[in-house]
Amino acid sequence: SAVISQKPSRDICQRGTSLTIQCQVDSQVTMMFWYRQQPGQSLTLIATANQGSEATYESGFVIDKFPISRPNLTFSTLTVSNMSPEDSSIYLCSVRDEVRASYGYTFGSGTRLTVV
Amino acid sequence: GENVEQHPSTLSVQEGDSAVIKCTYSDSASNYFPWYKQELGKRPQLIIDIRSNVGEKKDQRIAVTLNKTAKHFSLHITETQPEDSAVYFCAASRGGLTFGKGTHLIIQP
Repeated sequence: SAVISQKPSRDICQRGTSLTIQCQVDSQVTMMFWYRQQPGQSLTLIATANQGSEATYESGFVIDKFPISRPNLTFSTLTVSNMSPEDSSIYLCSVRDEVRASYGYTFGSGTRLTVV
Repeated sequence: GENVEQHPSTLSVQEGDSAVIKCTYSDSASNYFPWYKQELGKRPQLIIDIRSNVGEKKDQRIAVTLNKTAKHFSLHITETQPEDSAVYFCAASRGGLTFGKGTHLIIQP
């Protein structure tokens, strides 16, 4: 399956600031996904990032708060803007394995964000 | 959009017994149903998945069944072991994944 490098692994940020999270994949993939996992909860899809077009955001998430870049088929960034303590979560990127027939989804190791 | 319900939220079984976790989904267009295991502080790991054109799939002690008509799918773990203790998530997809709320599986020695 695809190997994803995600960074930073963790960060502590001041409220009102922004943090950009990077994901690098070792193979070209059409779709990359960004998820949020709040403490003790499940994963929620934030947006789908396609190369060459604007990201598609899920209900409850907006581009001004979570701008996403997808400059090529192996890389994407998610920015968490104007942070508040409610943004403290783990953020994960994910790709769909386009080689295996079962189309498994692989996750990065996550970015643990604490906003103080 | 898709909505995935998962039950139970916590499941405690004796080592060696079987565990069953059930999920229902709402969007009939969903065509891929993975199960993930997440240990504390780690990323979710895919343990088994099934596509909508298949009714059952098995991989050693783990099996998944899918009933498209009823829109539900289940995870079955047999001969449970202490290392099976973790949080398990079901998900449904026709693009990105919509996750259930998770089941905390506890294997009692």
